[in-house]
Amino acid sequence: EVQLVESGGGLVQPGGSLRLSCAASGFTFSNFRMHWVRQVPGKGLVWVSTINSDGSTTKYADSVKGRFTISRDNAKSTLFLLMNSLRAEDTAVYYCARDGNNYNLDYWGQGTLVTVSS
Amino acid sequence: QSAPTQPPSVSGSPGQSVTISCTGTSSDVGGYNRVSWYQQPPGTAPKLMIFGVSNRPSGVPERFSGSKSGNTASLTISGLQAEDEADYYCSSYASSNTWVFGGGTKLTVL
Repeated sequence: EVQLVESGGGLVQPGGSLRLSCAASGFTFSNFRMHWVRQVPGKGLVWVSTINSDGSTTKYADSVKGRFTISRDNAKSTLFLLMNSLRAEDTAVYYCARDGNNYNLDYWGQGTLVTVSS
Repeated sequence: QSAPTQPPSVSGSPGQSVTISCTGTSSDVGGYNRVSWYQQPPGTAPKLMIFGVSNRPSGVPERFSGSKSGNTASLTISGLQAEDEADYYCSSYASSNTWVFGGGTKLTVL
């Protein structure tokens, strides 16, 4: 069974940093592109970032470019999102998701809440 | 990276059909057959319902179907059931390894 479990969310002050993790199991992690998607409570989904299967190529939404870094450890089947210079508008539930190799996100984690506030 | 436009809400009675539209541009929805649809009941993670415009993953009922014409994709749910009540989001590949989500549509089953 495919499972994605996010962790690392919490309360952080504006300007601070946080690193999210997503532990994957039930599939060969190194074969799949992965994504981060966020959702402000009560609002819509917003694509944040993607990384290809071997970690050599990354892409970001304009709103986080230069502040967030996506990475992965295929040996540990774990996806990361390092978030720097956090702003109040980064407050959201962050989901990791697997790309099903058809440009779709076929499995999602349960999400981890990040709150940026003083 | 502007979001494709979806109607904020749609509704229908049990047994009826509803269609949710997703209007993008030639740079996303219209440019690729890489449109997906996701269902998100309150308090849960999104679930893939349609990929590649019109393909259903294993386990998704045949009542759910997708199509596309020009820059607009559509999700149709036939034979509405109470359990279909949820938020629905379209998503499209948008070139250069970026993706975009629509604003979301709340489906109410009357």
